[in-house]
Amino acid sequence: EVVMTQSPATLSVSPGERATLSCRASQSVSSNLAWYQQKPGQAPRLLIYGASTRAAGIPARFSGSGSGTEFTLTISTLQSEDFAIYYCQQYNDWRTFGQGTKVEIK
Amino acid sequence: QVQLQESGPGLVKPSQTLSLTCTVSGGSISSRGYYWSWIRQHPGKGLEWIGYISYSGNTYYNPSLKSRVTISPDTSKDQFSLKLSSVTAADTAVYYCARAGSSWYFDYWGQGTLVTVSS
Repeated sequence: EVVMTQSPATLSVSPGERATLSCRASQSVSSNLAWYQQKPGQAPRLLIYGASTRAAGIPARFSGSGSGTEFTLTISTLQSEDFAIYYCQQYNDWRTFGQGTKVEIK
Repeated sequence: QVQLQESGPGLVKPSQTLSLTCTVSGGSISSRGYYWSWIRQHPGKGLEWIGYISYSGNTYYNPSLKSRVTISPDTSKDQFSLKLSSVTAADTAVYYCARAGSSWYFDYWGQGTLVTVSS
């Protein structure tokens, strides 16, 4: 099983600042990586797939990068609606999720 | 716009079978190239993929749950169901149904339903 490790567990950021979230795979997953946003009481929402392609309707302030085992989700200018938990998911070798990074208001 | 909606009992007794149904609207579970999954989230925890049924009826289950899981389709109603047998408190979770395409990221999700295992 491919283990996905996200860091940090919690990220405290002020509105308007940049947030950088990391996701590491225990073995190469090529570019078969997605990012999701989850708000309390809601289902996850697809943000990024193919490591760097934004899903339909996702604002340009969200960007993804990386390949192989190291991936990054960047939120360029945090808006109030961006405070949430973010999960990465690999789909190269079946499907596993990271444990999540909570982005909270500083 | 594809929509998914989970339904089923919110409370199941230990050792019994958890049964949930996902109803798909705005699309068909028989549409070529799509895979219909169940995913769960333990309270305050991350996401665990349970398994899927494909547009052609093939299934695959997470090896950690395989002995207890069955996913089956009802194409006439565009529904697919989850059965998880011999449940324990460790199966208490929010259960989501979701759609993936051939690239295997999940683009549509249901709202989720909380299932509590308790006597």
